[in-house]
Amino acid sequence: GQNIDQPTEMTATEGAIVQINCTYQTSGFNGLFWYQQHAGEAPTFLSYNVLDGLEEKGRFSSFLSRSKGYSYLLLKELQMKDSASYLCAVRGDFSGNTPLVFGKGTRLSVIA
Amino acid sequence: DVKVTQSSRYLVKRTGEKVFLECVQDMDHENMFWYRQDPGLGLRLIYFSYDVKMKEKGDIPEGYSVSREKKERFSLILESASTNQTSMYLCASTGAGGQPQHFGDGTRLSIL
Repeated sequence: GQNIDQPTEMTATEGAIVQINCTYQTSGFNGLFWYQQHAGEAPTFLSYNVLDGLEEKGRFSSFLSRSKGYSYLLLKELQMKDSASYLCAVRGDFSGNTPLVFGKGTRLSVIA
Repeated sequence: DVKVTQSSRYLVKRTGEKVFLECVQDMDHENMFWYRQDPGLGLRLIYFSYDVKMKEKGDIPEGYSVSREKKERFSLILESASTNQTSMYLCASTGAGGQPQHFGDGTRLSIL
């Protein structure tokens, strides 16, 4: 079966660092994606990991451990505009025509 | 930049009506997807298509059909709308290989 777990909600303070975890159990694996979704808007692509390790992109970093079925998204120097839902998604094969399997999302609230 | 355009941001229809949601992408992507998103349930795949005139059922196809007559356009059809189809509908597209899915802005559909 396909299962992706991430916390439902998190709260963090402006300027701080927050880590959003994602664990997955899927029948195949060929990449993990993180998306950001502001309320009422479409998801926008943040990062992609296919090999183990850390991918850094400005204030955002994403980590993958394939052996543990685990990823996290790290947000540094939090800003109020980072308040959004963060979706973890897994692709089962590399062809592109296999749909992503999405977690239910983590709603992050950044407070002053 | 990839552009995925959905025909309406907000739509109100009546129970029993036949409803068409249109999606167009401008990047010559082979793969297109329709999701619905509901609070607490996350993104759920309705149908997807990996080529013109090809379609595959997703996780929740009941009550829906799709049409892909041209590569750039993927239509979602609610054959006889019901109130439980009130939702946010999101279209996405991706090319071959490990590219991320790109989403349209979404259509918030209300069935009265």
